[in-house]
Amino acid sequence: EAQVTQNPRYLITVTGKKLTVTCSQNMNHEYMSWYRQDPGLGLRQIYYSMNVEVTDKGDVPEGYKVSRKEKRNFPLILESPSPNQTSLYFCASSLGTATNEKLFFGSGTQLSVL
Amino acid sequence: TQLLEQSPQFLSIQEGENLTVYCNSSSVFSSLQWYRQEPGEGPVLLVTVVTGGEVKKLKRLTFQFGDARKDSSLHITAAQTGDTGLYLCAGGTDKLIFGTGTRLQVFP
Repeated sequence: EAQVTQNPRYLITVTGKKLTVTCSQNMNHEYMSWYRQDPGLGLRQIYYSMNVEVTDKGDVPEGYKVSRKEKRNFPLILESPSPNQTSLYFCASSLGTATNEKLFFGSGTQLSVL
Repeated sequence: TQLLEQSPQFLSIQEGENLTVYCNSSSVFSSLQWYRQEPGEGPVLLVTVVTGGEVKKLKRLTFQFGDARKDSSLHITAAQTGDTGLYLCAGGTDKLIFGTGTRLQVFP
């Protein structure tokens, strides 16, 4: 089944403790992206990747890192999480990089930073 | 900065009613997408429109892209409880911008 898999679904951590949220897609998609979703603010892009070893900042990249060493994986790293990073995170992928491409989303990771 | 405003923010209706959700911007988009997000899941694409004035139908859902490609609407006829969810529009030019969403609750 074609899908984007994120792990974990829920994560509670404390300020400053490094964490990684994994994202994997099995559709051989070129484009992958991370979003955060906050009430009243919609989906905001954190980082995106157009291909292996090619990553770029989105609209809200501060406090986050990503890597794209393989086509299928695009982990999101929070080196020193802070409470303002408490949010619902989504990984997404699409076949191409055009903005009218269909985005496939994972089921989300609810992160709470205490 | 491109912004996409959706209205209303919240909508609570009975099964069988009709409704329209709006997505507006001051910017021109080359394409516009509508996604539906159900609780505990990620957004799922419903439709993409690319031509000004374009109308697309998906069963009871009718999507329209404004003539000037700055706005769009989603009309649902005879809403069902299964239509409950968060509806997001997303406009694309050189990047994809998501609207703030309309949360729809359909009661039996």
